Amino acid sequence: SQQGEEDPQALSIQEGENATMNCSYKTSINNLQWYRQNSGRGLVHLILIRSNEREKHSGRLRVTLDTSKKSSSLLITASRAADTASYFCATAAFYNQGGKLIFGQGTELSVKP
Amino acid sequence: GAVVSQHPSWVICKSGTSVKIECRSLDFQATTMFWYRQFPKKSLMLMATSNEGSKATYEQGVEKDKFLINHASLTLSTLTVTSAHPEDSSFYICSARPADSPRDTQYFGPGTRLTVL
Repeated sequence: SQQGEEDPQALSIQEGENATMNCSYKTSINNLQWYRQNSGRGLVHLILIRSNEREKHSGRLRVTLDTSKKSSSLLITASRAADTASYFCATAAFYNQGGKLIFGQGTELSVKP
Repeated sequence: GAVVSQHPSWVICKSGTSVKIECRSLDFQATTMFWYRQFPKKSLMLMATSNEGSKATYEQGVEKDKFLINHASLTLSTLTVTSAHPEDSSFYICSARPADSPRDTQYFGPGTRLTVL
């Protein structure tokens, strides 16, 4: 079952602006991951944040995790047209079967040049 | 880097026929592979977890007789959609977890688009 809720469902910004996407989940997690998917393509792993971490950076990406609120945010700074894609959060629970991921509903990001 | 391939990348078939989709880990051995289904503009729904040499574990609501999964080797898992119908049309994505990696490591294939006429 899907446990992640993401907002907004769709986001349209101008190149150079920052994009923030949020993800909420319901159960206790071991880690939370963010993925990007270009239209009709596979998933690209962006970043993983563990339950004992609060913030992580990777290039223009910044991810925060608030386990008390069961939420995470992904910030993309200085966006580019090439960032246009769907972004999904995925959670891995404690004691799950072999590391399966539960995906959120996704945010469709459109960056206009 | 770890690469996962899927074949075919797209397939169109007639209603009632069976379709086999392959998922291969090209440069690593995968004891566990996962199969997901994605409808247009929707999220990925986990269908089953495939373990090499044993029966797949299906998620609730997924018909195991409809979606046959075989993980016969450490580099190959197959998903067969049996007696396909138009409602089975979807984007199917697999992922593979390397045998010697932490449980939170998965590499995704590029997906297979199935269209059933």
